[in-house]
Amino acid sequence: NAGVTQTPKFRILKIGQSMTLQCAQDMNHNYMYWYRQDPGMGLKLIYYSVGAGITDKGEVPNGYNVSRSTTEDFPLRLELAAPSQTSVYFCASRGQGSNQPQHFGDGTRLSIL
Amino acid sequence: GENVEQHPSTLSVQEGDSAVIKCTYSDSASNYFPWYKQELGKGPQLIIDIRSNVGEKKDQRIAVTLNKTAKHFSLHITETQPEDSAVYFCAASIGSNYQLIWGAGTKLIIKP
Repeated sequence: NAGVTQTPKFRILKIGQSMTLQCAQDMNHNYMYWYRQDPGMGLKLIYYSVGAGITDKGEVPNGYNVSRSTTEDFPLRLELAAPSQTSVYFCASRGQGSNQPQHFGDGTRLSIL
Repeated sequence: GENVEQHPSTLSVQEGDSAVIKCTYSDSASNYFPWYKQELGKGPQLIIDIRSNVGEKKDQRIAVTLNKTAKHFSLHITETQPEDSAVYFCAASIGSNYQLIWGAGTKLIIKP
């Protein structure tokens, strides 16, 4: 059982470039989340989705976009990369119901130079 | 805005001793409080959680306590082992879509 899979694991971008961070889960979870983790800080929510076709902004959405065309996939798009977006990005998913925990992928480490 | 404060940022304990990490939250509507462990290069993994209708929960060497009146909750690890070395995060639920707001993390170091 793969759980939550994130690709790529590492990436270096130049300022102004764009890229898509991929996230896929095979647990048939409705809820999916994108977080960023900066050194010495907790996780900050970027975007989340409660099901296919539905997305909403989190705490720090500026500079990012998401889509949710299927239950399994929740890609995160950076359109014009900026140095402030250097971070580790985590995707998580959870099932329906109040007792379900969030399950995390192993992250994408992104550097913008 | 709502926040979660976590202390200490670093905790060093002798192997076999106990470790305690504390968190306070601001949203009185929070009702779910998970604790996650993050090892180097990995994503956070749930180790224990507690709901607001429970004051304490235990799972082998790990326990969590919740004081809703004071809006704080704590993680207790007894008989610490080298494999307990990691970064630990607390979180509190906010909103209506199972969102979480996270503490800044505690780096736990177990000294042999």
